[in-house]
Amino acid sequence: QVQLQESGPGLAKPSETLSLTCTVSGASISSSNYWTWIRQPAGKALEWIGLIYTSGSTNYNPSLRSRVTISLDTSKNQFSLKLSSVTAADTAVYYCAREYSIWGQGTLVTVSS
Amino acid sequence: QTVVTQEPSLTVSPGGTVTLTCASNTGAVTSGYYPNWFQQKPGQAPRALIYSTDNKHSWTPARFSGSLLGGKAALTLSGAQPEDEADYYCLLYYGGAWVFGGGTKLTVL
Repeated sequence: QVQLQESGPGLAKPSETLSLTCTVSGASISSSNYWTWIRQPAGKALEWIGLIYTSGSTNYNPSLRSRVTISLDTSKNQFSLKLSSVTAADTAVYYCAREYSIWGQGTLVTVSS
Repeated sequence: QTVVTQEPSLTVSPGGTVTLTCASNTGAVTSGYYPNWFQQKPGQAPRALIYSTDNKHSWTPARFSGSLLGGKAALTLSGAQPEDEADYYCLLYYGGAWVFGGGTKLTVL
């Protein structure tokens, strides 16, 4: 079955760039229409970050658009998230998902000096 | 700014029926918003239940159903089980961007 696994540093310093990768197993990354990133601060609601179509085009949350880049690496069956100029407000569990049906387990990223 | 509103909390008795709703500040929710519903239990990743208003995933229990009701998206749980106690989130599409609702904490008591 399709599985997704987020990976990346669990700690980022303020003003730096947060980088996460989602590795897809059990299916080709080209087999779905799009792949998404979602985050959730502790005790708060889910927040949509953005998505990338397998064509390579992207859509981002307007409130994050100036700081977000999502990319695709079909050779590695992975897609990635970069969020620049992070602050404490970006501390959250970050999830990747296949469209919205299959989700990774999530990874906690803390922004702190 | 687009805001998607859900009931903050609801309570249902075991075996009972409850409807959770999802409203948009832009107007009535239609099928063109492709409503999705998710269940999240403490410490777990969200699990998809419903997509495109009323379509169930292969793993979605039959007691969950999605619909449009009075200008909102709705998730109805018929025959609540103790294991249905969780947070529920809706997700709506706004022509390129997606927005989650604030979530409903459902208690089965």
